[in-house]
Amino acid sequence: NAGVTQTPKFQVLKTGQSMTLQCAQDMNHNSMYWYRQDPGMGLRLIYYSASEGTTDKGEVPNGYNVSRLNKREFSLRLESAAPSQTSVYFCACRGRGGSTDTQYFGPGTRLTVL
Amino acid sequence: AQSVSQHNHHVILSEAASLELGCNYSYGGTVNLFWYVQYPGQHLQLLLKYFSGDPLVKGIKGFEAEFIKSKFSFNLRKPSVQWSDTAEYFCAVNNAGNMLTFGGGTRLMVKP
Repeated sequence: NAGVTQTPKFQVLKTGQSMTLQCAQDMNHNSMYWYRQDPGMGLRLIYYSASEGTTDKGEVPNGYNVSRLNKREFSLRLESAAPSQTSVYFCACRGRGGSTDTQYFGPGTRLTVL
Repeated sequence: AQSVSQHNHHVILSEAASLELGCNYSYGGTVNLFWYVQYPGQHLQLLLKYFSGDPLVKGIKGFEAEFIKSKFSFNLRKPSVQWSDTAEYFCAVNNAGNMLTFGGGTRLMVKP
């Protein structure tokens, strides 16, 4: 039971390049999230998916796209990377609510855009 | 939109000192409250959470937090910190919707 896994762990891109960050969870949770973490700003929500087949914008969606491939997988794509997207990206999943309303985080992807 | 404020950005303590990290939120309705910890180089882990009931919540590693509804606060406490508590701590609020709002984080350094 790995929980939430993310690949890659580290990535360096040049401005204008594209890439996809992968996230998978084996917790059978419906909701999945992508955050970026920047110093002094906490975590900010980029996109989320409340269930398979649905996605919604979060606080900072510009420059990103997402795909909820199935219940387990939720990918984040940067079509044309910019230096402002240098950050640490975390994926999370969440159970159905009530007392299980807790988000569980992956190990993160550290992305540098030159 | 809800917001979460953590007043202390950096805290330096000596081992065995007591810790209190402040957290205030701006949403007026029913909320779920969380404290997460991120040890150096690691991902976020849940320390404790409050949904309802006793406003004094106990979490892992000797941490506790008190929900004071009238003050919109959820402060994190530990009576005696250890060097291994060096980490960044995040307060987060969920208004029972799908989105979690995080505070800016507090970096704690504990000197041995």
